[in-house]
Order: sequence, then structure tokens, then C-alpha cells
Amino acid sequence: AQKITQTQPGMFVQEKEAVTLDCTYDTSDQSYGLFWYKQPSSGEMIFLIYQGSYDEQNATEGRYSLNFQKARKSANLVISASQLGDSAMYFCAMREYNNNDMRFGAGTRLTVKP
Amino acid sequence: NAGVTQTPKFQVLKTGQSMTLQCAQDMNHEYMSWYRQDPGMGLRLIHYSVGAGITDQGEVPNGYNVSRSTTEDFPLRLLSAAPSQTSVYFCASSPYDSNQPQHFGDGTRLSIL
Repeated sequence: AQKITQTQPGMFVQEKEAVTLDCTYDTSDQSYGLFWYKQPSSGEMIFLIYQGSYDEQNATEGRYSLNFQKARKSANLVISASQLGDSAMYFCAMREYNNNDMRFGAGTRLTVKP
Repeated sequence: NAGVTQTPKFQVLKTGQSMTLQCAQDMNHEYMSWYRQDPGMGLRLIHYSVGAGITDQGEVPNGYNVSRSTTEDFPLRLLSAAPSQTSVYFCASSPYDSNQPQHFGDGTRLSIL
């Protein structure tokens, strides 16, 4: 069974600084996808970034990048130049290509300080 | 541009009552799923479907039933509500390709008294 671990229940970062949110996963499959979602206080789930297990380069989307270390089974989210609007819950998720169900970590609450 | 629509947004039930949470998507997605979100536990998969007529259990299926008679709709039924089912429920959909992100509805906040 797949498992996603986010070890940081809460994180603080100063505005304009970079922050890394940790995510490790456990799977026996070779083919899988890793996702990060943002959930602001309003409650909606917003997709941020995707990394496939066979992608050789780390994914980037604007200020978001994914630090993918396959051997260590980690997929950390890096947010550069933090903004006050980045304050939210962040969830890491994995979807195995053969299994097709997406599982989520417990989440990290990020607070950006002015 | 509706995307994934969940109804109702809020609901209060008494223990033992049954109800159906509705989910509809207009993107012709094959894959649909239901999650519950509880504090400190992230989103846990209840049931999912890879197409009309096909459903499967997720992580926490007990007490819930689903069916998928059309591509668009994926209702979640609570058979006999229990206080432990108090939660926020999210429906999501995506193309079948598992490299595609899921699109989420706005959620249903359900309280069981």
C-alpha cells in the first residue's frame, strides 16, 4: 500500500524568502506521479505541480519547484519568494499508474510572516 | 465552466439517517473519487471509479456506498450516519491518465449529531 508522509505539521517563513515543504512516499511501483496541492482557508483544493517518476528533471511552475529525489523517495516542494497569499495548507499526493487511486499526506500548514 | 459540482455544501444529520452527497462533472473525465478530510489526517480516499459501471474501495470505505451509472455523476451514499462520519467531503475527477491532476469540488461539510 502506498503511503505519503509529511513530517512538518506547521512551517513559518518570512515574506520574500524561500521555503521547502517536505514529502516522502513509499511505493513498490516503478511508475507513479507525485502532486502538490494548496488549500487556502477558503477550503478549495488548488493543484500546484506534478512530477512523474520517470521525469529526469525537477518540475517547475512559476515560483513552485519540486525537488525530486527518487532514490530517497522524496518530493519536496520549494516555494521561492514567499508571498502572504501563500499562507495555506499544502498537501503532497501520489498516484500509482497501475493502482490509479490517489493518496494524500496529512499536510503542512504554511504561514508567511510580513 | 462548472468543473466539479458538489451538493449540498452543508448538511446536518441525526445519527442513523441516510443521505446522498451529489457529485457531477462536465469535463468528460473517466476517473472520479470521493475523499473525506479530517483535521490532522489530510484527505483519505473513500471510493473511486475509473469509468461508468466500475467502482472500487479506497482507504476508508466502511459506511459508504457509491455507484457510477453515468460518466458525469458519482454520488456518495451514507447508509446509516454515525458521528464519526462528521467531516468535510470532497469529490474529484480527472482523465484516466494517472499523470493528470484531479479537479476538486468545493466540498460538503457534513455534521452528524
